[in-house]
Amino acid sequence: SQELEQSPQSLIVQEGKNLTINCTSSKTLYGLYWYKQKYGEGLIFLMMLQKGGEEKSHEKITAKLDEKKQQSSLHITASQPSHAGTYLCGAPSPNFGNEKLTFGTGTRLTIIP
Amino acid sequence: SAVISQKPSRDICQRGTSLTIQCQVDSQVTMMFWYRQQPGQSLTLIATANQGSEATYESGFVIDKFPISRPNLTFSTLTVSNMSPEDSSIYLCSVDRTDSYGYTFGSGTRLTVV
Repeated sequence: SQELEQSPQSLIVQEGKNLTINCTSSKTLYGLYWYKQKYGEGLIFLMMLQKGGEEKSHEKITAKLDEKKQQSSLHITASQPSHAGTYLCGAPSPNFGNEKLTFGTGTRLTIIP
Repeated sequence: SAVISQKPSRDICQRGTSLTIQCQVDSQVTMMFWYRQQPGQSLTLIATANQGSEATYESGFVIDKFPISRPNLTFSTLTVSNMSPEDSSIYLCSVDRTDSYGYTFGSGTRLTVV
C-alpha cells in the first residue's frame, strides 16, 4: 500500500518568514492534493497537482509536484498567523473510477509573532 | 465545489452505545468516503459508499462496527457501534472531486467516548 511521509512533522516559524513542507511517497504519484486543517475541524482544499513538474500558486502558497522523486513540496512565503494549522498531503489511488485518498502524516505549523 | 453539512459536530458518548453521523451534500455525488482521524494521527479511510450498493470497507474496518447507509446521491450516514474509548476520534465524510476543486470534506465530528 502507498505511504506518504511528510517532513517536518512540526514547524514553528516566525511571522513573515518563508517555509517549506515536503511530502514523499513510497509509490508513484498519480496526482497530489494539499489540504489544511484547523485544530479539530474539517479539511480545507488548497491545491491539486495532476502531473509531474506541475506548479501551482494561490496567494502566498506554492505547491510543486516532482513525480520522478515521488515528492511534492508546499512553500509558504511571508507567513502569517492565518497560515497556522496542520497541512496534509493526499495521493489518489491509481484505480480508475474509484479514487480514494491516502493521506500523509501531517505537518503542524505554528506561527509566532 | 460541493458543500457538505456534517452532523453532529461533536458528541460525548457512553461506552457500549452507538452514534450515527450524517452527511448531507448540496449536489448529487457518485461516491462518498468516510474517514477516521485518531488523536494526533492522519486520516484513515474507513469505507467508500456508493448509492444503491453495499459500502466497501478498508482493511481493519468491518460493517458490524461501522455500518454505513447511502439511501440517495446526496446523503450518507456512518454509525459507530458499541463504542469504546478507542473509538474517540474525528470522523469526516468526503465526496469525490468535481473539476479542479479536489475532494470536499465535511467539517468533521469530534467523538469522545467515556
